[in-house]
Amino acid sequence: QKEVEQNSGPLSVPEGAIASLNCTYSDRGSQSFFWYRQYSGKSPELIMSIYSNGDKEDGRFTAQLNKASQYVSLLIRDSQPSDSATYLCAVYSSASKIIFGSGTRLSIRP
Amino acid sequence: NAGVMQNPRHLVRRRGQEARLRCSPMKGHSHVYWYRQLPEEGLKFMVYLQKENIIDESGMPKERFSAEFPKEGPSILRIQQVVRGDSAAYFCASSPRQGPSYEQYFGPGTRLTVT
Repeated sequence: QKEVEQNSGPLSVPEGAIASLNCTYSDRGSQSFFWYRQYSGKSPELIMSIYSNGDKEDGRFTAQLNKASQYVSLLIRDSQPSDSATYLCAVYSSASKIIFGSGTRLSIRP
Repeated sequence: NAGVMQNPRHLVRRRGQEARLRCSPMKGHSHVYWYRQLPEEGLKFMVYLQKENIIDESGMPKERFSAEFPKEGPSILRIQQVVRGDSAAYFCASSPRQGPSYEQYFGPGTRLTVT
């Protein structure tokens, strides 16, 4: 079992719809969770961090964390073509290390 | 406030040569992390350094790879006797401290091509 798992996609979503990206992790002692966006040929850019159960909203982005289910998600409302990228889920594990998932490719179709 | 800086952005080496990658963390950050990303793959942790100390090198290949973060100057990732399989994007990230509350910010990366 991978430490941080994401569906590789591609996930295709029509413009204006909600894109839902999911991530599961294996280390129950994980303490904090991050979502990075990576455009093709570019470096990862931090877009959200979440530390406690529940929802955290920032503009069009909402991160959701459920530690009991070891599940974290990212919702993107009113999806735009500029949201087309690979989204990396990252987890700060009990080993004091950030572990990255392989990423989900998101494509917003006009 | 300058972000994380890496140079060179692109590096071409022939098999057997040495590659030297540099990373200057964000101002106020003293923790540096190196990651490797193969095409169409995720980020793989390589090494975590503070000034003059290697804290965690569990992701570093045992041979040919080394890293340092001297008291003065940038962090350097060195790859000796490069092989084709070393071709990848190498990213450096920095944080102000180590811990679950501290986010890592990435530099633009160095794309290494071994011919």
